[in-house]
Amino acid sequence: AQSVAQPEDQVNVAEGNPLTVKCTYSVSGNPYLFWYVQYPNRGLQFLLKYITGDNLVKGSYGFEAEFNKSQTSFHLKKPSALVSDSALYFCAVRASGGSYIPTFGRGTSLIVHP
Amino acid sequence: GAVVSQHPSRVICKSGTSVKIECRSLDFQATTMFWYRQFPKQSLMLMATSNEGSKATYEQGVEKDKFLINHASLTLSTLTVTSAHPEDSSFYICSAWEYGYTFGSGTRLTVV
Repeated sequence: AQSVAQPEDQVNVAEGNPLTVKCTYSVSGNPYLFWYVQYPNRGLQFLLKYITGDNLVKGSYGFEAEFNKSQTSFHLKKPSALVSDSALYFCAVRASGGSYIPTFGRGTSLIVHP
Repeated sequence: GAVVSQHPSRVICKSGTSVKIECRSLDFQATTMFWYRQFPKQSLMLMATSNEGSKATYEQGVEKDKFLINHASLTLSTLTVTSAHPEDSSFYICSAWEYGYTFGSGTRLTVV
């Protein structure tokens, strides 16, 4: 079975400060890892993914994430937060082989204060 | 990039009526479509996986007769909420795999 943990329901950060949204996972075999952002009453928008290759993945809107196999983590980061980054963030995982069904974390609400 | 178009974005219906939600893959063929339900401030709950040309696979606890899923072509999957009740009010989202998961924009269903 695969699982994703986003340990923080909410992350608060001041505009201009760096932000981190945490994600750890469990999966059999090699993982495919994803981050999505959701604004109110909208679908999920793709931010970035790790499939293979470089452990540091750069994505949309200045976000990046680092795949750490030993810690089974895939934390989302941004060097300088914007108020417009305030949204709900989801981490997801699926195994590289087998079912295409992903498992999503419960989501982390990011609030960036002016 | 891959786009999934979902309609309608909002719908209000009377209790006892049926509502159909459509998801179309615009620039790729979606062999599989995932249907989710999302409650306020909560994560996505996978309802079912639809496969083109075959019956959908429903998650445990999801009523097959209430949530009818059809995936008649490689670009269209539909979810019909039959005999809707106020407790079916929710946000429904579809998703397909194309080198990553692409999501529709969601449908806010309100049953009055």
